[in-house]
Parts: sequence; structure tokens; C-alpha cells
Amino acid sequence: QQQVKQSPQSLIVQKGGISIINCAYENTAFDYFPWYQQFPGKGPALLIAIRPDVSEKKEGRFTISFNKSAKQFSLHIMDSQPGDSATYFCAAGNAGNNRKLIWGLGTSLAVNP
Amino acid sequence: DVKVTQSSRYLVKRTGEKVFLECVQDMDHENMFWYRQDPGLGLRLIYFSYDVKMKEKGDIPEGYSVSREKKERFSLILESASTNQTSMYLCASRSSLSYEQYFGPGTRLTVT
Repeated sequence: QQQVKQSPQSLIVQKGGISIINCAYENTAFDYFPWYQQFPGKGPALLIAIRPDVSEKKEGRFTISFNKSAKQFSLHIMDSQPGDSATYFCAAGNAGNNRKLIWGLGTSLAVNP
Repeated sequence: DVKVTQSSRYLVKRTGEKVFLECVQDMDHENMFWYRQDPGLGLRLIYFSYDVKMKEKGDIPEGYSVSREKKERFSLILESASTNQTSMYLCASRSSLSYEQYFGPGTRLTVT
């Protein structure tokens, strides 16, 4: 049973466009929602994260939007650049579960020049 | 600068061989993880270690074992490698007080 559902599986965006990746979760006990970015040949690295007490968090061109009632959160990449081409994973964590992360299946983003 | 290193970037083994994958972190983290990554299947947790000599099975522990004799080192063992264990293996570490996981570069294992 997949507890964090991520879509789309792949995404192609033109340079300068907005990339949007969505995730939905089921467990209301989750209290931490990160996005990780993985470049080819590298391990994933934390990009940005949000707690459920805020609806939005922005870091540069990257924004997380969080909708607690809908149990959904999304990553928006503004002014997408070819250097943003990577695989993106959403995840959710619960302090009561040893802070282990439940991962989405990933989205492969390609930004065309 | 935080660092998680894995002993090999690429490894080719034969069916039935015993395989050791090593992971070392220099951040004095209590928690360490082994994942496997396959296309379309995301990151699947194999084993989690919350302290030296302490381990917990993840979602797909079958065919794997782990060892953590020292805080900085976490080993993944394939007792008898099989072709369906061909995959990318990722190690991660984390402070027990934080959610953030730091990943190594991965080991791409091919079992023939």
C-alpha cells in the first residue's frame, strides 16, 4: 500500500516555464514533508521541506504548497532551467515512526533549453 | 561538509556470491539506512539502524542482512546474490533528532 502518491512520473518543461509535481498522502499523523532532488550518478539531497502548520514555503525558485485538508502538497519550480533536470522525490515523515520517511515513487523532470 | 561514502560505485557479482556493500559517514549520526532504487519503484527501505548493533527491518529485507559494529559504518550483506538483486543501492545517515537524511552516491550492483 503506497502511502505517498506522486505524480506525474515524468515531466518535460521548456526553459523558463513552471514545473509542478504533486503528492498526496493518507496518514494524518505525518508532520514533515520534504522534497529531495537527485541528479544522475548522485544520491538524493534535501531540496526543501515543510511542516503542516504552514501552507507555503519558498526558497529561491522552489516553492512547496501544502493543503492539509486535501492531504496534498506540491513542488513548484519557477523559471525552470536545464540545470533543474533531475529526479524529484516527495516524502512524508512521522515523529512517532522513528522519523522514517515514506517516499513517493519519483518524478523525472527534463527542462528543454 | 557532511559526507557519506560508499565503498564501490559499480560492482559486478555472480549469482550465489556473498556480497558486501560498505557505507561510512563522518557526521557522528546515530541513524543509518540502506535503500534500493529501481526505475518506477522509488526508494525502498531495506534496513534501518538506529544505533550501533541495533537494526530494524525495512520494507524489503528478504535476501539481505546488515551489520553495524561501529557508529560510522553500516554494511549491507547479500548472503547469496541473485539476479533480482541487480539494482542501485543507496546508503543514508541522519541525526536521531532530525528528519533530514544524507545520502551517499550509490552503488550500482549487477548480478549475472
